[in-house]
Amino acid sequence: QVQLVQSGAEVKKPGASVKVSCKASGYTFTSYGISWVRQAPGQGLEWMGWISAYNGNTNYAQKLQGRVTMTTDTSTSTAYMELRSLRSDDTAVYYCARAARGRTTVTHFDYWGQGTLVTVSS
Amino acid sequence: DIQMTQSPSSLSASVGDRVTITCRASQGISNSLAWYQQKPGKAPKLLLYAASRLESGVPSRFSGSGSGTDYTLTISSLQPEDFATYYCQQYYSTPPTFGQGTKVEIK
Repeated sequence: QVQLVQSGAEVKKPGASVKVSCKASGYTFTSYGISWVRQAPGQGLEWMGWISAYNGNTNYAQKLQGRVTMTTDTSTSTAYMELRSLRSDDTAVYYCARAARGRTTVTHFDYWGQGTLVTVSS
Repeated sequence: DIQMTQSPSSLSASVGDRVTITCRASQGISNSLAWYQQKPGKAPKLLLYAASRLESGVPSRFSGSGSGTDYTLTISSLQPEDFATYYCQQYYSTPPTFGQGTKVEIK
């Protein structure tokens, strides 16, 4: 069965960086893209960006350009999201999600990781 | 970016009620719409895609309809496990965008 398992909760200080991992299993990793979606406490869902697990192409949300980097390691079927220059409003649960339509960035999401809480606090 | 507006933001309903949630896009999205259910502390779960296609394993009491800019999610007979927050999402163009959510509470 398809599973996305994310790394554990993180506490960071403002200005620091965080890197969240998402290990995929149960399907051919390179056949689907991975998106990252975050949810601030009590708020809605915000798409952060997408990476092709096939060729590493990325598409980032404009507001995060320059602060976010998404990568994959096909040898371990793992996707990573690094966010730099953290601010208090980056405090959120971060989800990885599989692109249901395969290798396209414009897709819905059929499987989600369990979420990783990132807290940014001094 | 395409803006997605859900209504209502919250509703109270009883077990057995028929519930309808509406999602309006700021421009036509050609049925490129998904609905998700999210329970507290859990990841969103895909319910429907392509506006009306039921995801495998999702109960048939969930249905979707609509076209152009206006879409609806209907729960034909609300069950205790359906109390949750529901989100629509367009995938007609990048960036994919979500509605603000509709919280379905117990009356």
